[in-house]
Amino acid sequence: SQQGEEDPQALSIQEGENATMNCSYKTSINNLQWYRQNSGRGLVHLILIRSNEREKHSGRLRVTLDTSKKSSSLLITASRAADTASYFCATDAAGNNRLAFGKGNQVVVIP
Amino acid sequence: GAVVSQHPSWVICKSGTSVKIECRSLDFQATTMFWYRQFPKQSLMLMATSNEGSKATYEQGVEKDKFLINHASLTLSTLTVTSAHPEDSSFYICSPSGGAVDTQYFGPGTRLTVL
Repeated sequence: SQQGEEDPQALSIQEGENATMNCSYKTSINNLQWYRQNSGRGLVHLILIRSNEREKHSGRLRVTLDTSKKSSSLLITASRAADTASYFCATDAAGNNRLAFGKGNQVVVIP
Repeated sequence: GAVVSQHPSWVICKSGTSVKIECRSLDFQATTMFWYRQFPKQSLMLMATSNEGSKATYEQGVEKDKFLINHASLTLSTLTVTSAHPEDSSFYICSPSGGAVDTQYFGPGTRLTVL
């Protein structure tokens, strides 16, 4: 069964705006990861946040993790047309080294 | 990150034929291999997990006799879709792992279209 679940919304934003996506999960986790997938392509790993971390940054990406609410958010600041893609969160349940993916968010950045 | 290749990148076949997909981890040894399937506009669904030299463990609802997985070496795993049908058309992604999720990498995927 899927562990991570994003809010099932597609985002369409103007270049330069920020894009925020959310992910919720159901069981205890060791870490949570975010991936990007361009149409018809493989996955690109964006960022990993461990269960004992609350926030992490990587370039224009900011990820938060709230283990009490079992949720995470991914913020892309100053979006670019090249950020147009699907974004997935993936979790590994504690004691289980398998990644479970959420449904994904389609983000379209309009130039 | 590690370099992972899949071959072929896309394949079109007739219904009833078998298709073999290769996944190679080019610069690290994959003790575990995960195979995922992704239907259009959907998420990745784990199909099976295999450890080098062992039989694969299949997820519920995945037919082990239809999706044959071989993980004979630490750098090569194959997925064979036997007697393919149009509903098997999907994007298949391999994911070699060194044993922990933060050493899990993903192949570029293979697009299978069954006519």
